[in-house]
Amino acid sequence: ETGVTQSPTHLIKTRGQQVTLRCSSQSGHNTVSWYQQALGQGPQFIFQYYREEENGRGNFPPRFSGLQFPNYSSELNVNALELDDSALYLCASSGGGAGTDTQYFGPGTRLTVL
Amino acid sequence: GDSVTQMEGPVTLSEEAFLTINCTYTATGYPSLFWYVQYPGEGLQLLLKATKADDKGSNKGFEATYRKETTSFHLEKGSVQVSDSAVYFCALSDRDTDKLIFGTGTRLQVFP
Repeated sequence: ETGVTQSPTHLIKTRGQQVTLRCSSQSGHNTVSWYQQALGQGPQFIFQYYREEENGRGNFPPRFSGLQFPNYSSELNVNALELDDSALYLCASSGGGAGTDTQYFGPGTRLTVL
Repeated sequence: GDSVTQMEGPVTLSEEAFLTINCTYTATGYPSLFWYVQYPGEGLQLLLKATKADDKGSNKGFEATYRKETTSFHLEKGSVQVSDSAVYFCALSDRDTDKLIFGTGTRLQVFP
């Protein structure tokens, strides 16, 4: 069974640029959630995708957007990068269903904005 | 809104000492509760979970009991090892949206 994978591992961008992060969900999982983890903090929920539709969003501006594909992999896009966007971006997959379902995390993408 | 509060770290222990990391939560419904662990430079790994009151989650010698009356989910281990050094996150799962709400994390440092 393949776990959650993310790419790239590290990324350096400059302010104002755009970035796309990718996530492949665990085999058999149809739900992907994205989180932002600033240094020394707990992860913050960005949004979730279930069967290619957005299924909940946290307190992040519209320049954070996403997609989910028919194979349940997902992308996180961030436009007009700001210095505060520097963080570890975590993707988690789950089997679907609210509340009791467990989310399994990938290793993350470390984004640095200069 | 829902929230999770963890004890501040770092927690510094000698090998074989007893560990407790406190976690309390605020939720309008009946969330599921989780402990995740993050080793340096890595993502989050699920350590244990409990889905209803009085459930006990356990894994690798770690335990936590879902206490509805005190809204707590404290993490315990009887004898820590150097390899347990990591950051531990308590989290709850919102039953409507399935999103996880995390505490700020507690760093554990175990010395030989």
